[in-house]
Amino acid sequence: ETGVTQSPTHLIKTRGQQVTLRCSSQSGHNTVSWYQQALGQGPQFIFQYYREEENGRGNFPPRFSGLQFPNYSSELNVNALELDDSALYLCASSHMGQGSLSTFINQYFGPGTRLLVL
Amino acid sequence: GQSLEQPSEVTAVEGAIVQINCTYQTSGFYGLSWYQQHDGGAPTFLSYNALDGLEETGRFSSFLSRSDSYGYLLLQELQMKDSASYFCAVRDEENRDDKIIFGKGTRLHILP
Repeated sequence: ETGVTQSPTHLIKTRGQQVTLRCSSQSGHNTVSWYQQALGQGPQFIFQYYREEENGRGNFPPRFSGLQFPNYSSELNVNALELDDSALYLCASSHMGQGSLSTFINQYFGPGTRLLVL
Repeated sequence: GQSLEQPSEVTAVEGAIVQINCTYQTSGFYGLSWYQQHDGGAPTFLSYNALDGLEETGRFSSFLSRSDSYGYLLLQELQMKDSASYFCAVRDEENRDDKIIFGKGTRLHILP
């Protein structure tokens, strides 16, 4: 197991509601990436945070937003939930050193939060 | 645009060797990674190739050919615990925006 934790493990919401998911990164890591994984699909990159700023974003609408805190933990917020937002949400921590490449090479994933939107 | 193609399923016998291919199309290229994911679990990092050639880590090896935009993951001496989904992933940069792109995954079935 990695040192990355996520909460909650499971969540049920209704359409139109808002949700906040949390992630604690592994000790020594300064970068957090968030992914959405639908059943039977690969993880889809939502965004990445480094030093409390967004450092890259995938093709997700603005209602997907995030935060990174000074201790490098992170939150993913999703507003106006839609049925298609039902998925496993994964966060991955890594360390950005001399180049951002390092964040891609070896990411440590948390166990995920399974979100169901009814 | 960016895309990665890998077979959806592969079946092999315990003790055998299996190869999972991945072809990619990206704006830039910063290397190819492979991840393993068991049902109900989180992806775990297996290997990374930035340059052409073969990288070996125990029973797992990964190969890259940048000229062919192609790579593969080779699993030897297959064990039942290797039954999982395997994803290739690349880092791409579009409009100065970093993105990490995963393939749809290859589900590996291992028969006893």
